Amino acid sequence: EVQLVESGGDLVQPGGSLRLSCAASGFMFNFYWMTWVRQAPGKGLEWVANVKPDASDTYYVDAVKGRFTISRDDAKTSLFLEMTGLRAEDTAIYYCAGFDLTSATHDAFDIWGQGTLVTVSS
Amino acid sequence: SYVLTQPPSVSVAPGQTARITCDGNNFRSTSVHWYQHKPGQAPVLIIYYDTERPSGIPDRFSGSSSGDTATLSITRVEAGDEADYYCQVWDRDSAHQVFGGGTKLSVL
Repeated sequence: EVQLVESGGDLVQPGGSLRLSCAASGFMFNFYWMTWVRQAPGKGLEWVANVKPDASDTYYVDAVKGRFTISRDDAKTSLFLEMTGLRAEDTAIYYCAGFDLTSATHDAFDIWGQGTLVTVSS
Repeated sequence: SYVLTQPPSVSVAPGQTARITCDGNNFRSTSVHWYQHKPGQAPVLIIYYDTERPSGIPDRFSGSSSGDTATLSITRVEAGDEADYYCQVWDRDSAHQVFGGGTKLSVL
């Protein structure tokens, strides 16, 4: 079964740090671009960051650049998001997702996790 | 960079056809994908490459694209189709993804 399971979401104070994890199974993880997408309360989906299959490159939305770091461990088929300098506006459900440029769906996200909630508040 | 604009809400009676638009810029250099997102669940890919349907998605869902407008159509709408729908593109030059603001589909 294809599965992405996020963990690590928590309540954290402004300025704090948090590390999210996403455990993958049931598909060729090392072929996939992996992504974090978030949804703030009452808002729409927002792309956060991408990491290439070989981890050679990472990409970030401007709002998190310099504060968040996306990484992956292909041996453990896991994706991570290290978040520092957290702000109230980072409060959201964080989803991991992936796409395989060699597949029929190409750059569409054909795999999603259920999400993990991050709340930034004092 | 891309900016995708969707109507905030669309309402339709059961059995009718719902159409959700996604206005963008320069769609000729990319493809539009559509996702269905229900509360408490993971988003689901329902249309990719403007018009293609993943396996397991009912043929009541279809996509089209003309100029700088992509459209998701849902025929014979059912109560279970109530959800938020998002269009999305990949900016290959920057390797950034862009989502539309989302459209809440209500079944009257």
